[in-house]
Amino acid sequence: DQQVKQNSPSLSVQEGRISILNCDYTNSMFDYFLWYKKYPAEGPTFLISISSIKDKNEDGRFTVFLNKSAKHLSLHIVPSQPGDSAVYFCAASAASGGGADGLTFGKGTHLIIQP
Amino acid sequence: GAVVSQHPSRVICKSGTSVKIECRSLDFQATTMFWYRQFPKKSLMLMATSNEGSKATYEQGVEKDKFLINHASLTLSTLTVTSAHPEDSSFYICSAPRTGVGGYTFGSGTRLTVV
Repeated sequence: DQQVKQNSPSLSVQEGRISILNCDYTNSMFDYFLWYKKYPAEGPTFLISISSIKDKNEDGRFTVFLNKSAKHLSLHIVPSQPGDSAVYFCAASAASGGGADGLTFGKGTHLIIQP
Repeated sequence: GAVVSQHPSRVICKSGTSVKIECRSLDFQATTMFWYRQFPKKSLMLMATSNEGSKATYEQGVEKDKFLINHASLTLSTLTVTSAHPEDSSFYICSAPRTGVGGYTFGSGTRLTVV
């Protein structure tokens, strides 16, 4: 059973517009959520995270929103830039981000920014 | 669909011993498997890429003789940490591209503790 779901395998957005990537989870024990970005031939790199005590975390053009009641989080990128074209993974942890436990990943969403 | 089963989920071993981690693709053929190691602050480092029937490709700085990777069949890739040391303690995770569908499937990860 998939505990972290990214239901959109791909997403195409025009440059300058907002990109919204969605992620749903089923395990109510998850309390720390992360987004990773992956370019071809490279490993995923950490982008932004959010703890379950918050509902929003912002870092420059990237904002992550968490809706605990809906078990849903989303990553907003605004404005979208060509360099944002990559695969984005949502991940969740039940260890409060302390690094003591592992991560459960979604299958990824391929974001394509159109010029 | 597209499930990767990773075992063991947790293992504790003594210094100097070897540990084997397996990743099996359950309902698809994984011709390629990526092996990652998680570092503090949740970043993932790509260690190597295994390809069925050929030698693995290691990333710079990863010791081939220490981290043995074998991809003997289209459904099984293994990572063996040889002569383990406490600094090898980490979270290891595998990932396979989902051919024909896009995106990646991750294993559930292995927490290795070397004492």
